[in-house]
Amino acid sequence: GAGVSQSPSNKVTEKGKDVELRCDPISGHTALYWYRQRLGQGLEFLIYFQGNSAPDKSGLPSDRFSAERTGESVSTLTIQRTQQEDSAVYLCASSLTSGIWDEQFFGPGTRLTVL
Amino acid sequence: KQEVTQIPAALSVPEGENLVLNCSFTDSAIYNLQWFRQDPGKGLTSLLLIQSSQREQTSGRLNASLDKSSGRSTLYIAASQPGDSATYLCAVRLLNMNYGGSQGNLIFGKGTKLSVKP
Repeated sequence: GAGVSQSPSNKVTEKGKDVELRCDPISGHTALYWYRQRLGQGLEFLIYFQGNSAPDKSGLPSDRFSAERTGESVSTLTIQRTQQEDSAVYLCASSLTSGIWDEQFFGPGTRLTVL
Repeated sequence: KQEVTQIPAALSVPEGENLVLNCSFTDSAIYNLQWFRQDPGKGLTSLLLIQSSQREQTSGRLNASLDKSSGRSTLYIAASQPGDSATYLCAVRLLNMNYGGSQGNLIFGKGTKLSVKP
């Protein structure tokens, strides 16, 4: 079946602009995670959604970052007033549930470059 | 706080060599440990997942071991090939997960960039 998809694959923007990144999870997966990978760094957890529960936003680096998800479908990660340090690959993952026994499946990522 | 470290950061070997990638973690209270492969533009591919009660997992030319008490895992790649060139990531899943808590996420190392020369 189809895996996790993300769009766009690449995004170049100017400092100060807003960007929106999209993630389509695997159908039927109730949990969705966003991670960020900056150059030379490991993946950092940003936010996760489980069904209709309130999302866990504890990994968001600043209030310029926000994310939404409607039900168990598409999620969008929005970065307002982008800064150069926001340049990174943003990865989305989904799993059947948020249980620790459920494997996370990753999308190809969106490479964001802020000039 | 759980920290995951991978050594070396980069490795270059000639084709055919056997090699070992290392991963260490500071908190032994993990549920499982997972090795991923990351290719540019293709996201992460899961290679091997070891449950905390297991000592090793094998898939083809790959063998991953886990010593939870010492906080270490190794990924052994036999008879390396140029197609093995990629970044290899180690990640742990914490044991104590509070529903809705960030402990549900994976904790990643920075990766080892492997280059296998023909």
